[in-house]
Amino acid sequence: QSALTQPASVSGSPGQSITISCTGTSSDVGSYNLVSWYQQHPGKAPKLMIYEVSKRPSGVSNRFSGSKSGNTASLTISGLQAEDEADYYCCSYAGSFVVFGGGTKLTVL
Amino acid sequence: QLQLQESGPGLVKPSETLSLTCTVSGGSISSSSYYWGWIRQPPGKGLEWIGSIYYSGSTYYNPSLKSRVTISVDTSKNQFSLKLSSVTAADTAVYYCARQLIRTQSFDYWGQGTLVTVSS
Repeated sequence: QSALTQPASVSGSPGQSITISCTGTSSDVGSYNLVSWYQQHPGKAPKLMIYEVSKRPSGVSNRFSGSKSGNTASLTISGLQAEDEADYYCCSYAGSFVVFGGGTKLTVL
Repeated sequence: QLQLQESGPGLVKPSETLSLTCTVSGGSISSSSYYWGWIRQPPGKGLEWIGSIYYSGSTYYNPSLKSRVTISVDTSKNQFSLKLSSVTAADTAVYYCARQLIRTQSFDYWGQGTLVTVSS
């Protein structure tokens, strides 16, 4: 199985919105609404930001939202803030295993 | 508050077996709602799921690592463990343990991670 495909980097200015894509296949992202997204700051453990494509855990800002179309899931961050600068990873269930994306570095300009 | 803590050697020799334990506190590992997983991250690289275990002992592994991985659970100690055999430098990584919600297949609680270096 291959890692899900994410852009290596995205950037945006404070207050703007950005979207990170996560492309899989019909065997993972396309087959299950079990996509999650994680935020990771340098030297820290990942933090769950979105689960089941579009649901937010308690305590996660509503500036973070998720969606899916076909084999591609997306994470949108609106009203960018400096503290959003981090690495972001998508993850999908694939029937008999779990697969992560390669990660996207978000830079807040 | 649930906490997970990885422990084990930080240095392993090539061809030997990497062994780590994750101790869960603030909650029971014997819950029917969760798997308990291991994820690793080589320096400067992305996350890779290694495998997960249910409290009953049933497991599922990353197909690319399956031949070298064993995950076990000790409910009496509220711990689960990872063994990775025949390690090489490519297995050098920060290893995380995490709680995995079965219903959503998402990892909601993570340990702080432990760096394991494979070197002679």
